[in-house]
Amino acid sequence: GEDVEQSLFLSVREGDSSVINCTYTDSSSTYLYWYKQEPGAGLQLLTYIFSNMDMKQDQRLTVLLNKKDKHLSLRIADTQTGDSAIYFCAERGYGGATNKLIFGTGTLLAVQP
Amino acid sequence: EAQVTQNPRYLITVTGKKLTVTCSQNMNHEYMSWYRQDPGLGLRQIYYSMNVEVTDKGDVPEGYKVSRKEKRNFPLILESPSPNQTSLYFCASSPPDRGRAPTEAFFGQGTRLTVV
Repeated sequence: GEDVEQSLFLSVREGDSSVINCTYTDSSSTYLYWYKQEPGAGLQLLTYIFSNMDMKQDQRLTVLLNKKDKHLSLRIADTQTGDSAIYFCAERGYGGATNKLIFGTGTLLAVQP
Repeated sequence: EAQVTQNPRYLITVTGKKLTVTCSQNMNHEYMSWYRQDPGLGLRQIYYSMNVEVTDKGDVPEGYKVSRKEKRNFPLILESPSPNQTSLYFCASSPPDRGRAPTEAFFGQGTRLTVV
């Protein structure tokens, strides 16, 4: 079945790089996503990567995809206190509802000043 | 402004008292869904709707109902709430999946429900 896993917590110092990891099981996924959830708010799409790509860079964000190992990571360069949030990776499910997103458990990123 | 609006944001209720959480989107999206978020479990899909009058069960539908009479609204109904339905609920909408581009899901602000 479909399953997406993440570590639950990551603590970094302001200015350092953060790397949030995710593993998934559905090798047929075409897109993989990173969503950010700030306290008291809904989820916002941060970035995504198409499954035929290995890497995507978007300003301070770098997404790496290792399809062989089904491993996805999000690197945040020069992490700021405003980056403190829960980060979810998600893959698009398949079957009757192609819009379905399968979410990981979420990683709480705490940025220490 | 494009948005998904849920109401109420916070709700405390008693076991067995029927309640409805409303969700409305102004983006003319066909696809809408409900998720619940629980610590250590991430977001799990409760129900989804591909279009008006088309709804289907997600991964955790037990104890919930939905309806989709209009494109913009997708209410979540708990006929007889129980304490294990205490959770943070999110409604989301997205345009149809054309297969050639990622489909961004837009989320509401969330409804924190406590059933005592």
